Amino acid sequence: LAKTTQPISMDSYEGQEVNITCSHNNIATNDYITWYQQFPSQGPRFIIQGYKTKVTNEVASLFIPADRKSSTLSLPRVSLSDTAVYYCLVGPRVVYNQGGKLIFGQGTELSVKP
Amino acid sequence: DTAVSQTPKYLVTQMGNDKSIKCEQNLGHDTMYWYKQDSKKFLKIMFSYNNKELIINETVPNRFSPKSPDKAHLNLHINSLELGDSAVYFCASSQETGQGTGYTFGSGTRLTVV
Repeated sequence: LAKTTQPISMDSYEGQEVNITCSHNNIATNDYITWYQQFPSQGPRFIIQGYKTKVTNEVASLFIPADRKSSTLSLPRVSLSDTAVYYCLVGPRVVYNQGGKLIFGQGTELSVKP
Repeated sequence: DTAVSQTPKYLVTQMGNDKSIKCEQNLGHDTMYWYKQDSKKFLKIMFSYNNKELIINETVPNRFSPKSPDKAHLNLHINSLELGDSAVYFCASSQETGQGTGYTFGSGTRLTVV
């Protein structure tokens, strides 16, 4: 699975848009990019997944440039409750769909302040 | 209706003791996992079971023994606990969804060995 690099921490204020970038220079052709969110004292939970261009759901948007060597998770108008660790994972879709080991990096600790 | 539930939530015990952590999922998933999260927030897979059969066994000391009585349960027994075993242990389950959203994690068991 491709190695990922993310900022260790980020600070933001309520109401701002937050963009977290993940680098994955060695991404393979069949790899997907998946983001997980982990609140304190809870397990990680799936946020969004994409392969190329842009994906949007009710929680976030995921921007993937044409070369796919990086991706950006965008959280619109964050609130205090968005304070969490955000993990970027890269791997074949079969890992996520059919069961396989997820490999988590250090993640980005986002702190949202009033 | 908790999808993946673990017990206990907190466990404090002395070195050398034997302890168990229980996990149950009511999602009907075929695959269950144990992950360990250390103090630096890295999440690493330990074991994976599919329909009661062990399919992933990372390099984990043999003091750790998973047991799956049925596909809805995956328990973790730890013998001769050591200080380095202190961590948060997460149980998870997954099922093929076609959308990468198939993983569900429990809330974790914080194990402290003193």
